Amino acid sequence: DVKVTQSSRYLVKRTGEKVFLECVQDMDHENMFWYRQDPGLGLRLIYFSYDVKMKEKGDIPEGYSVSREKKERFSLILESASTNQTSMYLCASSSQGPTGQFFGPGTRLTVL
Amino acid sequence: GENVEQHPSTLSVQEGDSAVIKCTYSDSASNYFPWYKQELGKRPQLIIDIRSNVGEKKDQRIAVTLNKTAKHFSLHITETQPEDSAVYFCAASIKSDMRFGAGTRLTVKP
Repeated sequence: DVKVTQSSRYLVKRTGEKVFLECVQDMDHENMFWYRQDPGLGLRLIYFSYDVKMKEKGDIPEGYSVSREKKERFSLILESASTNQTSMYLCASSSQGPTGQFFGPGTRLTVL
Repeated sequence: GENVEQHPSTLSVQEGDSAVIKCTYSDSASNYFPWYKQELGKRPQLIIDIRSNVGEKKDQRIAVTLNKTAKHFSLHITETQPEDSAVYFCAASIKSDMRFGAGTRLTVKP
């Protein structure tokens, strides 16, 4: 059974803190993605990765960075969290595409 | 880059009626068009997809149509049931990265 997991379901952080969100997939997928989901805006692509140590900017990369040291793991980093980064963060993975993506359960991040 | 627009943002139908959600895309190079269903508090899940070499695809009560010339595609749900209530997202893809529409909240009233 396909599985994408995220390190936390809920997270509360303070403005200025460094935040790490982790995503792990067990399907040996080449591609991994980070989105943020906000009401009325759908899913917006932050960063994605086609392979280990490779990364590509999505549509809203400002304020974020990513790391992919192993094929199964893709981390999203907020260097200095701000209140406008309060959102639902979804990770996804897929095989070489284009093809359907499998999503993790999401992390609801609140920055105070 | 690719831009996907989705309409309507909300849709309310009576159980048993049909529901249609429409999307347009901007990049003619897009060649893969999936639809996702997201129930409240859950992750988006792929329900049907279509590739650019196909005009229509059907899976039980769900069908998707694609008009490449007009750059739009649609999701059709027939004989709607209360469990079809969810947010539906369309997406368009050229390679592996996707761009999503803003979503349609479908409510099926019993």
